[in-house]
Amino acid sequence: TQLLEQSPQFLSIQEGENLTVYCNSSSVFSSLQWYRQEPGEGPVLLVTVVTGGEVKKLKRLTFQFGDARKDSSLHITAAQPGDTGLYLCAGYYNNAGNMLTFGGGTRLMVKP
Amino acid sequence: KAGVTQTPRYLIKTRGQQVTLSCSPISGHRSVSWYQQTPGQGLQFLFEYFSETQRNKGNFPGRFSGRQFSNSRSEMNVSTLELGDSALYLCASSLGLAEYSYEQYFGPGTRLTVT
Repeated sequence: TQLLEQSPQFLSIQEGENLTVYCNSSSVFSSLQWYRQEPGEGPVLLVTVVTGGEVKKLKRLTFQFGDARKDSSLHITAAQPGDTGLYLCAGYYNNAGNMLTFGGGTRLMVKP
Repeated sequence: KAGVTQTPRYLIKTRGQQVTLSCSPISGHRSVSWYQQTPGQGLQFLFEYFSETQRNKGNFPGRFSGRQFSNSRSEMNVSTLELGDSALYLCASSLGLAEYSYEQYFGPGTRLTVT
């Protein structure tokens, strides 16, 4: 069984602060995705990273894929209350077909 | 383009009953995957259908089954419901082609409560 460890599990910060969420695995990903989920809704895709070392930016969000394609991080700059939600990383492993394996999620709360 | 739709959004069933959930993928998407989300286990893969065939299967008992129709719409069925089946069931669609299989788009989910 391939495990995807996500940390931290919970994060409560003030508006304007920066934060980083980590996603780690002992196995190599063929690609990795980050999602954000709000209560009562399905996850919404934020970004897909495919190449080792790849960095993608989405406004105040920066996503990085590790060189060895075993880890990834999500950095939010100057967090806003609208960033509140559950952030999930999910990866495709080379031997797992079209099956996404999800991390446990990071529940972020940004207080005004 | 319309997103993934799931029906019903909420469902309450009694232990021992069976239930069928429905998913309509994004137009043009041929792959439909189902996931179970619970507070304790997080999001877990159930199965994936592509062109009416089950292509991948997660580690769930045989009580969980699914099918896909020629228009790519999919249903999943859970028989002999147990209390532990209470969860948010999510459907996701993607193009399903090898080089584009990376991105999955999720529906809002069906919240199933088993009493």
